[in-house]
Amino acid sequence: NAGVTQTPKFQVLKTGQSMTLQCAQDMNHNSMYWYRQDPGMGLRLIYYSASEGTTDKGEVPNGYNVSRLNKREFSLRLESAAPSQTSVYFCASSALAEQFFGPGTRLTVL
Amino acid sequence: QKEVEQDPGPLSVPEGAIVSLNCTYSNSAFQYFMWYRQYSRKGPELLMYTYSSGNKEDGRFTAQVDKSSKYISLFIRDSQPSDSATYLCAMSPFGNEKLTFGTGTRLTIIP
Repeated sequence: NAGVTQTPKFQVLKTGQSMTLQCAQDMNHNSMYWYRQDPGMGLRLIYYSASEGTTDKGEVPNGYNVSRLNKREFSLRLESAAPSQTSVYFCASSALAEQFFGPGTRLTVL
Repeated sequence: QKEVEQDPGPLSVPEGAIVSLNCTYSNSAFQYFMWYRQYSRKGPELLMYTYSSGNKEDGRFTAQVDKSSKYISLFIRDSQPSDSATYLCAMSPFGNEKLTFGTGTRLTIIP
């Protein structure tokens, strides 16, 4: 039982490059989330998915797209990376009140 | 003004002390209140969860909610070096989706 897994753990991109962050959960949760964490800003919700086939914008969705591939997997795509997207990205899933977080992806955009 | 305000610290206390961590909020619709603990370079993990006003105790940890003052607290008794982490408060109107997080308080327990 791995919980929430994220790949990659680290990534360095150049401005304008694209990439996809992968997230998978094995807890059979309906809801999944993508957050970014920046110093002094806390965790901010980028997108969430209440169930397979549905997605909705969070607080900071600009510059990102998401795909809820199936119940287990929820990916986050940066189409044209910008230095302002340098951050630590966390995926989470939940069934009831508790959100379970992955280990995070540290992304640097040069 | 942010919906949830939390003093970022850092806060350093000696081992064995009582620690008090706090958040204030402005949205009166919040009914579910949580505290997450985040160790360095790890994801947050749920520590305490309370609904509406009142106290909840779990071992050395006590969570308090005062909805009339829009103020929540987390107390840690007999603090240990292993409690050194960042503590984030989180809250929502409906308990599950779209949590609003505080910025986190970085706590260090000095042996």
